[in-house]
Amino acid sequence: GAVVSQHPSWVICKSGTSVKIECRSLDFQATTMFWYRQFPKQSLMLMATSNEGSKATYEQGVEKDKFLINHASLTLSTLTVTSAHPEDSSFYICSASLGAPYEQYFGPGTRLTVT
Amino acid sequence: SQKIEQNSEALNIQEGKTATLTCNYTNYSPAYLQWYRQDPGRGPVFLLLIRENEKEKRKERLKVTFDTTLKQSLFHITASQPADSATYLCALDLLYNQGGKLIFGQGTELSVKP
Repeated sequence: GAVVSQHPSWVICKSGTSVKIECRSLDFQATTMFWYRQFPKQSLMLMATSNEGSKATYEQGVEKDKFLINHASLTLSTLTVTSAHPEDSSFYICSASLGAPYEQYFGPGTRLTVT
Repeated sequence: SQKIEQNSEALNIQEGKTATLTCNYTNYSPAYLQWYRQDPGRGPVFLLLIRENEKEKRKERLKVTFDTTLKQSLFHITASQPADSATYLCALDLLYNQGGKLIFGQGTELSVKP
C-alpha cells in the first residue's frame, strides 16, 4: 500500500524558534497533500491543502504566515512553524492523496512541544 | 450549522461481539464517506470508503452503511478482537465543493475486552 513518512517524529523547541516538518510519499506521487493538527482526545483539524507547484490553500483561522507550507515536488511537502509558541504544541499529521475521490494516506505524525 | 458527530461515549464490548459505531452529520452533502482507524500517537489508517449512491460496503469483518436521507453512516466490526481496540474516525469527503478534502468526526474510542 501507499506509504507516507514524516520527519521528525517528535521535536522540542524553544519559544520563538522555527521548526520544519517534512512529509514524503515514498512509493507514489501525491498530487495533493494535506496538513492537520490534532490536540489530545480531539479530532483532526485540517490546516491546509497543498498542491504541487502552487500555493497552499489554508483553512479559515489558520495563519499562513505562521504555518508556511511548501510542496516542491510530487513526493515532498514541508510545514514550517515560524516563531513557535507553547500554544503551537500539538500533534501534526500530514496525508497524501492520489486525488479525489481517493482515500488519504497518513503519515505517522510529528509531536511538537514548544517550551 | 455544519456538524459531524460520532458516538460521544467510548464503546466497550466483549470479544466476539459486534461493535457498531455511528456517524451523523448535518448540513453537509458528502459525495463519499470514509472510515479510518487511529491508534494512540499514530496517524489514521484508511479502512473503507462508501459512495453516496451505495447503501452498504463490506471488507472482511468490516461493514459500512450509508443513509443519505438519515444523514448517517454505521460502521460494524463483527467477531471483534482485542486488536480492534482503537479510535475510529468517520470523515466526509465533500469532493464537489471542496476538492476532496476530508472533514473528520471527533472519533469513537473502541475497547474490546477478552
